[in-house]
Amino acid sequence: QVQLVQSGAEVKKPGASVKVSCKASGYTFTGYDVSWVRQATGQGPEWMGWMNPNSRNTGYAQKFQGRVTLTRDTSISTAYMELTSLRSDDTAVYYCARGQSMDVWGQGTRVTVSS
Amino acid sequence: DIQMTQSPSSLSASVGDRVTITCRASQGIRNDLGWYQQKPGKAPKRLIYAASSLQSGVPARFSGSGSGTEFTLTISSLQPEDFATYYCLQHNFYPITFGQGTRLEIK
Repeated sequence: QVQLVQSGAEVKKPGASVKVSCKASGYTFTGYDVSWVRQATGQGPEWMGWMNPNSRNTGYAQKFQGRVTLTRDTSISTAYMELTSLRSDDTAVYYCARGQSMDVWGQGTRVTVSS
Repeated sequence: DIQMTQSPSSLSASVGDRVTITCRASQGIRNDLGWYQQKPGKAPKRLIYAASSLQSGVPARFSGSGSGTEFTLTISSLQPEDFATYYCLQHNFYPITFGQGTRLEIK
């Protein structure tokens, strides 16, 4: 079955970077875009960007431009989201999802930014 | 940015009730809209895609309608497992945007 499995929870200090992985299985990884969304506690989801694993084309929400980088390793069907210059308000659960219409989601990765 | 105005923000209903949730887009998005259910501590789960198509495996009591700027999600007969938060999502324009959510609670 189609599945996205994300890396485990992270605790980071302000100013640090975090890299979250998203391993795809059950479908052809290069056949679908990967979207990234985050959700702070008690808030709605917020779209961060997308990447096409085949072309490596990307698109980012303006809010995250310059701080987020989406990459992939097709040999292991894994997408990555790196967020730099972390602040306390980056504390959230980060999700990957298949396609821009987001039919299947990963389980989420909690990132806590605290000094 | 496309604003997705979702209403109501919260709703109390009983098992067996019929409920409707609405999303209004600030400009036309064709039918590039999905509806999601989210339970506490879990990832969102897609229920409806392309505004009115039922996701495989989702019970038929869920239905979606609309096109352009007005969209609705209807649950025909609420079941205990349906009490959750619901979101709409538009993917016609960048940035992709979500509605603010509707929290469906047991009356």
